[in-house]
Amino acid sequence: GDSVTQMEGPVTLSEEAFLTINCTYTATGYPSLFWYVQYPGEGLQLLLKATKADDKGSNKGFEATYRKETTSFHLEKGSVQVSDSAVYFCAAYSGGSNYKLTFGKGTLLTVNP
Amino acid sequence: EAGVAQSPRYKIIEKRQSVAFWCNPISGHATLYWYQQILGQGPKLLIQFQNNGVVDDSQLPKDRFSAERLKGVDSTLKIQPAKLEDSAVYLCASTPGGTANSPLHFGNGTRLTVT
Repeated sequence: GDSVTQMEGPVTLSEEAFLTINCTYTATGYPSLFWYVQYPGEGLQLLLKATKADDKGSNKGFEATYRKETTSFHLEKGSVQVSDSAVYFCAAYSGGSNYKLTFGKGTLLTVNP
Repeated sequence: EAGVAQSPRYKIIEKRQSVAFWCNPISGHATLYWYQQILGQGPKLLIQFQNNGVVDDSQLPKDRFSAERLKGVDSTLKIQPAKLEDSAVYLCASTPGGTANSPLHFGNGTRLTVT
């Protein structure tokens, strides 16, 4: 089955620092790829997505590019804010007739002022 | 549009007791999922429904967990009897379903503590 591996956390950064959270996947075929974010006390929210190779998903200053050759979907942001503190999950979505989402373990990001 | 609704928000029970969670998906969403999220881990799929039929329950511990989706709308997930290792957040998600371009919409989850 599909699997997703993302970098271990926690990650602690100062405000305005550059963020990278690595994510690689193993899947049959070419899955759609997603980043979800979970703010403290809240549910999972879709942050961005990419559905085919070389697509770039972006939202709220975050970006990730679907790299088929390296089976990666790394999350980046040029200047993080305190409000970005959350847990970030990389996920792969595939399955033929019954799509399902497979998650990585999550990366806790803490941004200090 | 209204989001995925789940209840209760929190539940504390003793081991060997039973518990049930309820989910109301977004209107019109044919596919419904239940995920288990243990602290420090990513969500793990327990069961997937398409309308009122089960399409994947390969990771559901069927000796103690059961789920149903009557009339293809609301769903309930039950644990009987509960074990300590069932302490987790139980997430319900829905999607119109069927394509790679329809991401899942998640509820806020039910946090279960088994003592």
